[in-house]
Amino acid sequence: DAGVIQSPRHEVTEMGQEVTLRCKPISGHNSLFWYRQTMMRGLELLIYFNNNVPIDDSGMPEDRFSAKMPNASFSTLKIQPSEPRDSAVYFCASSFDAGINEKLFFGSGTQLSVL
Amino acid sequence: TQLLEQSPQFLSIQEGENLTVYCNSSSVFSSLQWYRQEPGEGPVLLVTVVTGGEVKKLKRLTFQFGDARKDSSLHITAAQPGDTGLYLCAGRNQGGKLIFGQGTELSVKP
Repeated sequence: DAGVIQSPRHEVTEMGQEVTLRCKPISGHNSLFWYRQTMMRGLELLIYFNNNVPIDDSGMPEDRFSAKMPNASFSTLKIQPSEPRDSAVYFCASSFDAGINEKLFFGSGTQLSVL
Repeated sequence: TQLLEQSPQFLSIQEGENLTVYCNSSSVFSSLQWYRQEPGEGPVLLVTVVTGGEVKKLKRLTFQFGDARKDSSLHITAAQPGDTGLYLCAGRNQGGKLIFGQGTELSVKP
């Protein structure tokens, strides 16, 4: 199995530019999560989708962040305009079984640096 | 805000030593998971514990869920350099949301 695939692996951009992160979940999984990881705040849930529908976006920092899931095999996280404080590793994860035994499969992440 | 506090934050030990990592909260969780993350990769699930007092073993790793389902521990016996990584606990709250701790960075030196 290919696992969760994220692109790009690394992104360096300048403040004010638009950034788009991409994720392909594991085939057959029906939930998709976007997390952000920093040294200061650890792993934070930004938003999650179930059957392509956004369920909880309370972790999205502000209006500059948006996420879409147009179909079961693709999701994007967009930051516009980007700011230096957005620098972090962004992870996408997917799962199949909901409930207390739900197992999340994470991608390798996108390391974002906003200069 | 529900918090999961992990201790210690950093741990550096020699190969062959034993260690315990703790995950504590004032909140009750319906289940608790432990993940391990290696540099440049995403977290990988090690175990899920559901019942208060539950103990699970995975080779040299022993996981325990507290009786009140508010805390957990991970014990590694005879640590090896391959155990090096960031260990994250994650609790599922009553609303179904998974809350992650800050992690324990473990370094095992040969």
